Amino acid sequence: QKEVEQDPGPLSVPEGAIVSLNCTYSNSAFQYFMWYRQYSRKGPELLMYTYSSGNKEDGRFTAQVDKSSKYISLFIRDSQPSDSATYLCAMKWTGGGNKLTFGTGTQLKVEL
Amino acid sequence: ETGVTQSPTHLIKTRGQQVTLRCSSQSGHNTVSWYQQALGQGPQFIFQYYREEENGRGNFPPRFSGLQFPNYSSELNVNALELDDSALYLCASSSGQLNEKLFFGSGTQLSVL
Repeated sequence: QKEVEQDPGPLSVPEGAIVSLNCTYSNSAFQYFMWYRQYSRKGPELLMYTYSSGNKEDGRFTAQVDKSSKYISLFIRDSQPSDSATYLCAMKWTGGGNKLTFGTGTQLKVEL
Repeated sequence: ETGVTQSPTHLIKTRGQQVTLRCSSQSGHNTVSWYQQALGQGPQFIFQYYREEENGRGNFPPRFSGLQFPNYSSELNVNALELDDSALYLCASSSGQLNEKLFFGSGTQLSVL
């Protein structure tokens, strides 16, 4: 079993839809949670960073963490074609240096 | 403020050869990490450098090695290339070695034939 599980998609939604992306994890030592966006042939770009259970909002993006269920989500409101990319969840534990454990990524396509 | 830059962007090698990839960290960042991303997978941690010393390593064999220079730039060296080494190699920098946000470069696409 992988430490971090993420549905690879692809996920196709119409413009303006609310998108929900999810990851589950098995290692309860993970304390820091991130979402990265990766365009084709580019490096991952940090979207959201959080370390506590609950919701964190930034513009159209909301990150949600439920440590008791070992489940994290990213919600994208009013999705745009420019949001079409692969979304990677990542996490790390206290004292783990900068070693991130990533999910496999979910490919999202927002269609006009 | 300049971001993380990597060179070259693409590279083709044959099995058994050696390769060196380069990374310049973001201004003000003193910690560099390297990741390998196979097609359709998430990045996998190779190792981390802080103050020119390797201080964390993932599940990669010793033929993967690195250096960090006084200006915090870094190199990844891979010896005895194998076909499975074909991947996107990503460099990430941060302003510290513990629990810091990582910022990635665009990567070097390595193909081993």
